[in-house]
Amino acid sequence: EIVLTQSPGTLSLSPGERATLSCRASQSVSSNYLAWYQQKPGQAPRLLIYGASNRATGIPDRFSGGGSGTDFTLTISNRLEPEDSAVYYCQLYGSSVTFGGGTKVEIK
Amino acid sequence: QVQLVQSGTEVKKPGASVKVSCKASGYTFTGYYLHWVRQAPGQGLEWMGLINPNSGGTNYANNFHDRVTMTRDTSISTAYMELSRLKSDDTAVYYCARGNSDFWSGYYAYWGQGTLVTVSS
Repeated sequence: EIVLTQSPGTLSLSPGERATLSCRASQSVSSNYLAWYQQKPGQAPRLLIYGASNRATGIPDRFSGGGSGTDFTLTISNRLEPEDSAVYYCQLYGSSVTFGGGTKVEIK
Repeated sequence: QVQLVQSGTEVKKPGASVKVSCKASGYTFTGYYLHWVRQAPGQGLEWMGLINPNSGGTNYANNFHDRVTMTRDTSISTAYMELSRLKSDDTAVYYCARGNSDFWSGYYAYWGQGTLVTVSS
């Protein structure tokens, strides 16, 4: 079973800064079947990225995904906004389904 | 528009069972796999399993395979997740989410609003 490890646990940034979130898989992820979600308190997760780098419908281009194999990143460009405060999860799909433990992004 | 509407909050005693429903609209119910994901308070997301609404076939996560049953009623475009022998650490928000049309595993662009299940004596 592939394990996804997200880092850091918490990221504290200021508006306008750039956020880089990491998701590392214990084994190589086939066909880059990796998705990213944003979850705000009391809400269901919202799909941001699928296939490692494809933005979901309606997601602003401030959000971008990258990586391959075992190392993936979600980047929120240097236009970080207070509304980006949330927990971000990566998800493996394809041969199995599993989620990372999440990264909390706090906007100071 | 695609919508997944789940049943309301449940409070159950340890050892009991709970059945959560997820009513789909805005798309062909039998055309997409339907997954269940849960989230304990303050914790991350945990995949529980899925149902193929067309065939009724299921695939359960190892952690739940002996306690969970997923079913569907195609006449009312509704999927169900029943969890038995409840324990206090089953207290969580349970989500349904729409998966792919052509493969059992996928990402989730559409989610239900979540159903809080509290297990307490």
